[in-house]
Amino acid sequence: RKEVEQDPGPFNVPEGATVAFNCTYSNSASQSFFWYRQDCRKEPKLLMSVYSSGNEDGRFTAQLNRASQYISLLIRDSKLSDSATYLCVVNNFGNEKLTFGTGTRLTIIP
Amino acid sequence: DVKVTQSSRYLVKRTGEKVFLECVQDMDHENMFWYRQDPGLGLRLIYFSYDVKMKEKGDIPEGYSVSREKKERFSLILESASTNQTSMYLCATLKRVSEAFFGQGTRLTVV
Repeated sequence: RKEVEQDPGPFNVPEGATVAFNCTYSNSASQSFFWYRQDCRKEPKLLMSVYSSGNEDGRFTAQLNRASQYISLLIRDSKLSDSATYLCVVNNFGNEKLTFGTGTRLTIIP
Repeated sequence: DVKVTQSSRYLVKRTGEKVFLECVQDMDHENMFWYRQDPGLGLRLIYFSYDVKMKEKGDIPEGYSVSREKKERFSLILESASTNQTSMYLCATLKRVSEAFFGQGTRLTVV
């Protein structure tokens, strides 16, 4: 089983819609969780960290469910500029190693 | 502004050549990483380093080695390049349990 699993998509979503991605992780000792965004032919960049209580940044909401070992990302009122690949990232305390999911490709359709 | 610089954006090398990929960071971060990214496989960790002269194998170290002689520089070495090492290589740095910063990537083609 992969350490971090994501649905690869692609997700093709009309502009203005709400879209949600999930990601599961296998190591129950994982401590830190992130969503990264990667545009075509560019390097990944941090979108947001994921906190136990859930957190929101504008149109983006991230949730963590430790009991079921998954994290989620919700994008509301999607924009054309949201088209990208979204990477789920887990950091296991003690080895400072980031483990990436394979990414979910999102395309927002006008 | 944070900066992670990889020495080349594009490289073409011949099978059997020794290849050096350089990564330099200006953030004084302890942790540095080399990943390769392939379609359908995502980012896979090759090697990482916690400190100068320290290195740890990642998930796919075979065919690669690394060097960290100075804190700001982490080099990835392909001892004898093969066609299955054609990939996008990404260097990253990480401050403890914090945001990772990536270089712009090196697209290596081995012919």
